[in-house]
Amino acid sequence: QKEVEQNSGPLSVPEGAIASLNCTYSDRGSQSFFWYRQYSGKSPELIMFIYSNGDKEDGRFTAQLNKASQYVSLLIRDSQPSDSATYLCAVLSGNNRLAFGKGNQVVVIP
Amino acid sequence: EPEVTQTPSHQVTQMGQEVILRCVPISNHLYFYWYRQILGQKVEFLVSFYNNEISEKSEIFDDQFSVERPDGSNFTLKIRSTKLEDSAMYFCASTLGYEQYFGPGTRLTVT
Repeated sequence: QKEVEQNSGPLSVPEGAIASLNCTYSDRGSQSFFWYRQYSGKSPELIMFIYSNGDKEDGRFTAQLNKASQYVSLLIRDSQPSDSATYLCAVLSGNNRLAFGKGNQVVVIP
Repeated sequence: EPEVTQTPSHQVTQMGQEVILRCVPISNHLYFYWYRQILGQKVEFLVSFYNNEISEKSEIFDDQFSVERPDGSNFTLKIRSTKLEDSAMYFCASTLGYEQYFGPGTRLTVT
């Protein structure tokens, strides 16, 4: 079983709509969860982190964590063309190392 | 805003050669990491470093790899004898606690 799974294919959303991304993880003991944005050819950029069950909002981004179901999600409200990127879910494992999912590509259509 | 820096941005080397990738972590951070990303694949953990020693390494980080913090600012990754399959983007990251911040990466091409 993969540590972190992001199974959805590329997501196309119209400008101004909500993009919704999901991620599941295998280690029930995980406590810290992160969303990174990665533009093509660039490095991962931290956009959200969440440690407690429930929702956490930061600007147009909302992270949701459900530890009982072992999933994390990211909502992007009022999607902009500049949000077009790959979004990486990461879980803190072991001795503070990050385990990444393979990412979900988001394309915002003007 | 402080950021992680990495040099060089692109390194081309021949198979069997040694390479050293350099990173300057954010100055007050205590934990340092190397990750790599082969083209089209996910980001993979290589090694973590704290208090001047390796705290965890992955199965990828074999005897050909080593890390060093030679002074108070630099953090290096050395690959002793590069293989074709070492071609990837190598990212350095640092943190004070849990949130890891990544450098821009070094693209390593082994020919």
